Amino acid sequence: GQQVMQIPQYQHVQEGEDFTTYCNSSTTLSNIQWYKQRPGGHPVFLIQLVKSGEVKKQKRLTFQFGEAKKNSSLHITATQTTDVGTYFCAGYNFNKFYFGSGTKLNVKP
Amino acid sequence: EAGVAQSPRYKIIEKRQSVAFWCNPISGHATLYWYQQILGQGPKLLIQFQNNGVVDDSQLPKDRFSAERLKGVDSTLKIQPAKLEDSAVYLCASRRDRGLGEQYFGPGTRLTVT
Repeated sequence: GQQVMQIPQYQHVQEGEDFTTYCNSSTTLSNIQWYKQRPGGHPVFLIQLVKSGEVKKQKRLTFQFGEAKKNSSLHITATQTTDVGTYFCAGYNFNKFYFGSGTKLNVKP
Repeated sequence: EAGVAQSPRYKIIEKRQSVAFWCNPISGHATLYWYQQILGQGPKLLIQFQNNGVVDDSQLPKDRFSAERLKGVDSTLKIQPAKLEDSAVYLCASRRDRGLGEQYFGPGTRLTVT
């Protein structure tokens, strides 16, 4: 069945360092969304990618969707303590969302 | 606009008891999702409604879980009887329609089964 894998599971960085999380799907996706979940909170939407090879930026965050629409990445430049949380990708196919297992980011000040 | 409302926020029950969760989506959102999020994992879709019809419930353990969305607005998820492995956060999310667009999540109900 459809699977969405996400790596790494955890990432500890020093404030100011960069961070990247990767998402891979077993099948081609219609689109992919990224969410951030703060400790004790609920997932909050960050962005949606639809087109093959699409790249979108939000301030220090850069999101990419692979050419084959099977993988995606989120890159944070110069992390800040406010970036702490778990980042999830959610692949969309056949009218269903498939969430990755998330990457938990810890930022040391 | 008001967000997705869920209640209760926390629930502790013993195994074999029953429990019900309630969700009120954002007004006008046709699509409603129930997710189960076990600690340290991503949300797992249990059931998806489009208005008051079920779109997908392939991962809903139907021998113990049931859900309804009467009148296509708020929704209830029930577990009867609960098992220890049902301990998780149950998230409700809504979306304007099934097409493109973000999911808005509620605060969730944290269920502990002892």
